[in-house]
Formats: sequence, structure tokens, C-alpha cells
Amino acid sequence: GNSVTQMEGPVTLSEEAFLTINCTYTATGYPSLFWYVQYPGEGLQLLLKATKADDKGSNKGFEATYRKETTSFHLEKGSVQVSDSAVYFCALSSSGGYNKLIFGAGTRLAVHP
Amino acid sequence: SQTIHQWPATLVQPVGSPLSLECTVEGTSNPNLYWYRQAAGRGLQLLFYSVGIGQISSEVPQNLSASRPQDRQFILSSKKLLLSDSGFYLCAWDRAGQPQHFGDGTRLSIL
Repeated sequence: GNSVTQMEGPVTLSEEAFLTINCTYTATGYPSLFWYVQYPGEGLQLLLKATKADDKGSNKGFEATYRKETTSFHLEKGSVQVSDSAVYFCALSSSGGYNKLIFGAGTRLAVHP
Repeated sequence: SQTIHQWPATLVQPVGSPLSLECTVEGTSNPNLYWYRQAAGRGLQLLFYSVGIGQISSEVPQNLSASRPQDRQFILSSKKLLLSDSGFYLCAWDRAGQPQHFGDGTRLSIL
């Protein structure tokens, strides 16, 4: 079946460090891929998305590229801030749309000044 | 603008007690509605989804049920809670071609 695997956290970084959170997936067909973020005390928010191979999603300085050959959608940011501290979820939608999301376990990021 | 409300934010219940979690959406009509659960150390798992009033699809067999008595109301229930029902429950909504929007979640602890 379809599944998403994320690197385990917590990830602890200093401010302005480079961030990578790995995400790989298993799916039949051509899923859409997403990164959601959950800030402390809040619900999940869509961070970025990619709907086909080689698409790059970007938002708030974060980027992720849909790599079909490696079945990956790694999240990157060149310079993290304390305000980026949150839990990040990778997800896929096998329907090709936004329904029936399958999530990874989430990766907690802590950024220190 | 559209908003989604979930309550309560936290809940502590004894084993064997009933459960009712409520979710309402404002500012849209005919949304798709979803209930997810996140057990400790695991990802979010889709429990139920609904494409209309009275239409409920269950993704996994479990001790829970869902109902949609009104267009923008989605209720998660149980007659007798189990320890394994502990977790973080999230309600979400979307419309065709739009991303899912999530509520703030309910943390449920079973004692």
C-alpha cells in the first residue's frame, strides 16, 4: 500500500543553519506530495506541494522537489530561524488531488538562537 | 473566510466511557470532511471521511464511529473508550481542487 517515511526527530539546529528533512514515499501511480507544518499549539498548515515529477514546491524559504526516480520529497531551507521551530509532516495523496492524505510520522524541528 | 473549529482541545476520559468530539466548518458549503488520529510517535491516520450529509466512509476498523448530521458538522463518537483510543484527533475539510484545512486538534487521554 501507499506509505510515507520521514526521518526521525527531533532535529536541533542553530539559527541560520541549513535544514534538510528527508521524506520518501511508496505509492502506485502518480501521487501528489505535500509538506504540512504544525506550530506549537496550532493545527496543521499546508507549507508547500508538488503535483508531478520534477515539480519544486516552495514557500517561506522552504523548498522540496518531487523526485520520482528516488521516490523522495526532501524539505530544505537555507537558513532557519527560531520561528521555524515546529513539527513538519510529509504527506501524499494517491488520488492525485487533495483527498485521503497519507502522512509520515512527523519530524520535530527545534531552532536555537 | 473559512474557519474550522474543534472542541474540546483536551479531554481525559476513563476506559469504558463514551466519547463525542465535534467539528464545525464556517464560511463554505458542501465541504469534504475528515477525521484523523495521531497516536504517539506515529503519523496521522485517516479514520473517516464524508462527502455529504449522512455519507460516512470508514478507512480502518476500530472502536469509533462518525456522523454528519448537518452539512458543516462532523462528529466523532465512541460508546465505550479503550486505552488504545488515546491520541491526537484532527478534523479537516476541503473542497475539490483545494488543499485540506485542519482544526487545532483534540488531545484525548484515556485512563
